[in-house]
Amino acid sequence: QSVLTQPPSASATPGQRVTISCSGSSSNIGSNPVNWYRQLPGTAPKLLIYSTNQRPSGVPDRFSGSKSGTSASLAISGLQSEDEADYYCAAWDDSLNGHVVFGGGTKLTVL
Amino acid sequence: QLQLQESGSGLMNPLQTLSLTCAVGGGSVSSGGYSWSWIRQPPGKGLEWIGCIFQTGSTDYNPSLKSRVTISLDTSKNQFSLKLTSITAADTAVYFCARDRSGLGAFDIWGQGTMVTVSS
Repeated sequence: QSVLTQPPSASATPGQRVTISCSGSSSNIGSNPVNWYRQLPGTAPKLLIYSTNQRPSGVPDRFSGSKSGTSASLAISGLQSEDEADYYCAAWDDSLNGHVVFGGGTKLTVL
Repeated sequence: QLQLQESGSGLMNPLQTLSLTCAVGGGSVSSGGYSWSWIRQPPGKGLEWIGCIFQTGSTDYNPSLKSRVTISLDTSKNQFSLKLTSITAADTAVYFCARDRSGLGAFDIWGQGTMVTVSS
């Protein structure tokens, strides 16, 4: 099982707002920034959010990230059909000399 | 625009050593402020970070794979490489190389990935 915990699935209708959670511990989310990725089938993941709440150039402001304690969230507003994908959170973990840990992924279905 | 391209063996036997290379185009692997990682994804499963290398040559590895992994940098060829020893079927996965803009898991540039199958 993954070090970071995500719900395996989420769903919403077009236009709605959906939130995906990512739960960790004091050694990762609790002390380091969180990053979020979207992965379409058969393709490489794409960085959506870095440093907890920063969007790379080209990522629309429909995507936002936040963190509180040892949990983080990705929010997608104005949901579109092309948002149907797998979403992963990731963070640096300070334990065992340091390493990157991922969440298990959340499959988002746009109904 | 920086691009990454993985190359290496696709079908391997158990106990062999997996070797992959990531060629960096449109930029330099020696650029400061970045690290270069390998990440894998078994079929139908999630992402697993394997390890990374910095421009200085220093490395960090996933503790669960550390005993079998070596990541190296070749600045003359503008590429970095992965070696994973004593492979088993559990190492079957799509292997991605990626650039980390922060050194803390913010992978902003990815290769397309290469499938490695371990089977006898």
